[in-house]
Amino acid sequence: EAQVTQNPRYLITVTGKKLTVTCSQNMNHEYMSWYRQDPGLGLRQIYYSMNVEVTDKGDVPEGYKVSRKEKRNFPLILESPSPNQTSLYFCASSSRSIEADTQYFGPGTRLTVL
Amino acid sequence: GQNIDQPTEMTATEGAIVQINCTYQTSGFNGLFWYQQHAGEAPTFLSYNVLDGLEEKGRFSSFLSRSKGYSYLLLKELQMKDSASYLCAVREWEIKAAGNKLTFGGGTRVLVKP
Repeated sequence: EAQVTQNPRYLITVTGKKLTVTCSQNMNHEYMSWYRQDPGLGLRQIYYSMNVEVTDKGDVPEGYKVSRKEKRNFPLILESPSPNQTSLYFCASSSRSIEADTQYFGPGTRLTVL
Repeated sequence: GQNIDQPTEMTATEGAIVQINCTYQTSGFNGLFWYQQHAGEAPTFLSYNVLDGLEEKGRFSSFLSRSKGYSYLLLKELQMKDSASYLCAVREWEIKAAGNKLTFGGGTRVLVKP
């Protein structure tokens, strides 16, 4: 089954404690991205990756890091989480072709930083 | 950059029709998507328009006017399960990234009442 998976689905942590949210897709997609969703602000892109070893900042990259060492995985790293990073996070992937890159979303990770 | 506007909330009655408008300003326009998102869940793809006109898919239709920077999503024969947020997203070709960027509006929450 074609899917995007994220782990963990729920996480409560404390300020400053490094964490990683994993994202994996099994569709051989080149393009992957991370979004955060906050009430009234919609989905905002954090980072994206066009292919292996190619990543770039989205609209709200501060406080986050990513890596793309393999095509299927795109982890999101919070080196020193802060309460303003409490949010619902979605990973998404798509084919890179112009005509057919509907994004497929993971189930979401609800993060609370105390 | 992009500016995408859609109403925050709409209420309609079961069996009725609701039209959700989306206006956008962008360069390098390369398509407009509508997604449905139930509370706490991932967005799911509804429709895609890249040329002017109406695309119909069962009870859902989407319209695009590129010259006016305008789209709408039409939901007919509303059902209780249609209560959800509806996200307008504009795809923009980015020369720098040699790929597409997808930017979301804030979403329109639709409440269907019996």
